[in-house]
Amino acid sequence: KAGVTQTPRYLIKTRGQQVTLSCSPISGHRSVSWYQQTPGQGLQFLFEYFSETQRNKGNFPGRFSGRQFSNSRSEMNVSTLELGDSALYLCASSRTGGWTDTQYFGPGTRLTVL
Amino acid sequence: QKEVEQDPGPLSVPEGAIVSLNCTYSNSAFQYFMWYRQYSRKGPELLMYTYSSGNKEDGRFTAQVDKSSKYISLFIRDSQPSDSATYLCAMIRGGADGLTFGKGTHLIIQP
Repeated sequence: KAGVTQTPRYLIKTRGQQVTLSCSPISGHRSVSWYQQTPGQGLQFLFEYFSETQRNKGNFPGRFSGRQFSNSRSEMNVSTLELGDSALYLCASSRTGGWTDTQYFGPGTRLTVL
Repeated sequence: QKEVEQDPGPLSVPEGAIVSLNCTYSNSAFQYFMWYRQYSRKGPELLMYTYSSGNKEDGRFTAQVDKSSKYISLFIRDSQPSDSATYLCAMIRGGADGLTFGKGTHLIIQP
């Protein structure tokens, strides 16, 4: 069974640009969550999508947005990039997104903002 | 104060030792507790989960939760060099909510 895949794996952007990251969940999983991982703050929850609807959101500014498609694939967009947005962005999928449902993580996209 | 506190380490122990990894939390609403392992350049993978106070064992791993003290632990017996990784505790409140993670402890098992 294929795991969670994320593309691209590495990305370099400059301040002010925007970026789109992609996540393909495990087949049959309908929930996709996004997390930001930095050395200073650790892993922080961004948002969760289920059946193309954002169901939950963490404490991040509106520059961070996402969407989910009918095949459960998800994209995350960051507009007007700042230096502090440099991080590893992880997505995780689960069958239903229920709070006891195991989340499986992808390898992440390493974003560097110059 | 962060909701979940975890010593970042590094924690270095000899092969075969018993490893103790710990997290404390401040919000009593957390109900479900997990430990993830993250190797370099990989995403986190779930090791263990538990709902309630007490111990849960899986092979060489034991997860312990003390809700009254807001303290969780992961013990690794007969540690191996392949156990070298970052260990993240995570917890969740009931309902549709994202995971809240500790910052992770970097563990090094010396051969």
